[in-house]
Amino acid sequence: GAGVSQSPSNKVTEKGKDVELRCDPISGHTALYWYRQSLGQGLEFLIYFQGNSAPDKSGLPSDRFSAERTGGSVSTLTIQRTQQEDSAVYLCASSFPGLAGSSYNEQFFGPGTRLTVL
Amino acid sequence: GNSVTQMEGPVTLSEEAFLTINCTYTATGYPSLFWYVQYPGEGLQLLLKATKADDKGSNKGFEATYRKETTSFHLEKGSVQVSDSAVYFCALSDGATNKLIFGTGTLLAVQP
Repeated sequence: GAGVSQSPSNKVTEKGKDVELRCDPISGHTALYWYRQSLGQGLEFLIYFQGNSAPDKSGLPSDRFSAERTGGSVSTLTIQRTQQEDSAVYLCASSFPGLAGSSYNEQFFGPGTRLTVL
Repeated sequence: GNSVTQMEGPVTLSEEAFLTINCTYTATGYPSLFWYVQYPGEGLQLLLKATKADDKGSNKGFEATYRKETTSFHLEKGSVQVSDSAVYFCALSDGATNKLIFGTGTLLAVQP
């Protein structure tokens, strides 16, 4: 049964290094979301993809954060020059696209990547 | 902007006690409302949802009613079990992108 998968499950890095986090959504889900869960900020939205386009990047905290999606499937979240405040669990979710004007489509979450910046 | 406020935890209850976790929201339009649960060591799971005013979402003995007049979506369960111990998140969806806006989460600890 293919749920949302994320890799790595844990990542420890040194301050200033770049990291890449990967998300494999459920097959057929064209909508993909990245969220971040941290002690200080709770659960916060980062970026939304519809297909390979990212119409909402409003949650990315700085220009050190970027994300891409290829083939309407796998997505990679990249954090450049990591800082200690980037330490968090990064969650990916996917869903079917919402109909125009609809207000809901269930998002299925992956297990997350725990990032620790030393 | 849209936001969700939920009661601070931790909430500690004895088994079979009644549970209420309060959640209120601020939103333009008519968002869908959700409760997500995160059991220890597990990922985030949808517990229940309501997509319009007066809808009642229910699952596993939990219920919540979408109250537009009070902008609330309080989570209730009549008799909690130890296995209900988890962190509960109230959330709303932004209609344009369906991105979720979460409350801060409430830790529930149920003691035998």
